[in-house]
Amino acid sequence: EDKVVQSPLSLVVHEGDTVTLNCSYEVTNFRSLLWYKQEKKAPTFLFMLTSSGIEKKSGRLSSILDKKELSSILNITATQTGDSAIYLCAVLGGTASKLTFGTGTRLQVTL
Amino acid sequence: NAGVTQTPKFRILKIGQSMTLQCAQDMNHNYMYWYRQDPGMGLKLIYYSVGAGITDKGEVPNGYNVSRSTTEDFPLRLELAAPSQTSVYFCASSAQGSDTQYFGPGTRLTVL
Repeated sequence: EDKVVQSPLSLVVHEGDTVTLNCSYEVTNFRSLLWYKQEKKAPTFLFMLTSSGIEKKSGRLSSILDKKELSSILNITATQTGDSAIYLCAVLGGTASKLTFGTGTRLQVTL
Repeated sequence: NAGVTQTPKFRILKIGQSMTLQCAQDMNHNYMYWYRQDPGMGLKLIYYSVGAGITDKGEVPNGYNVSRSTTEDFPLRLELAAPSQTSVYFCASSAQGSDTQYFGPGTRLTVL
């Protein structure tokens, strides 16, 4: 059975801190790993990673995939209160674009 | 573009009632999906479709049915609602050949 595990489950930091969120996976026929941010409603897409070692960056967020270690990290630098959300990691395996999600990391950024 | 739309936003059902959750997308995506998200949990795939007329079961299909008569619409049917189906339901779509899924705003369903 495909499995995605995220850590930590929750995190409270002060504004301006840097955080690292972890995702590890066991998936048959790995195709890609995706990160989503979920605030009050639907998940919104952040990154898709398919190749090991290539960092994807968007503003203060960055992510990298390690296919040897079957894992990925999501970094957020200079955190802001608007970064408070659940961050979901999902892995695409097999055919037909079936995503397996982790349970998410709940990040709270305080003033 | 509206993207992925879902109706209703909220619904309360009594045990044994039935209902259909509607999902539509205007991006001409071939692939559509239904997920449920229980409190504190990740999303679990209920059913998916790779095109009109083609549907398949996901991880947690029991108690649900789907149909895909058009590219745009992918309704999810609950025939005999049970308290275990209390959850938030998300519909998503993706283009063929793309791994990125786009999500609707969700339907919060409570079964009492």
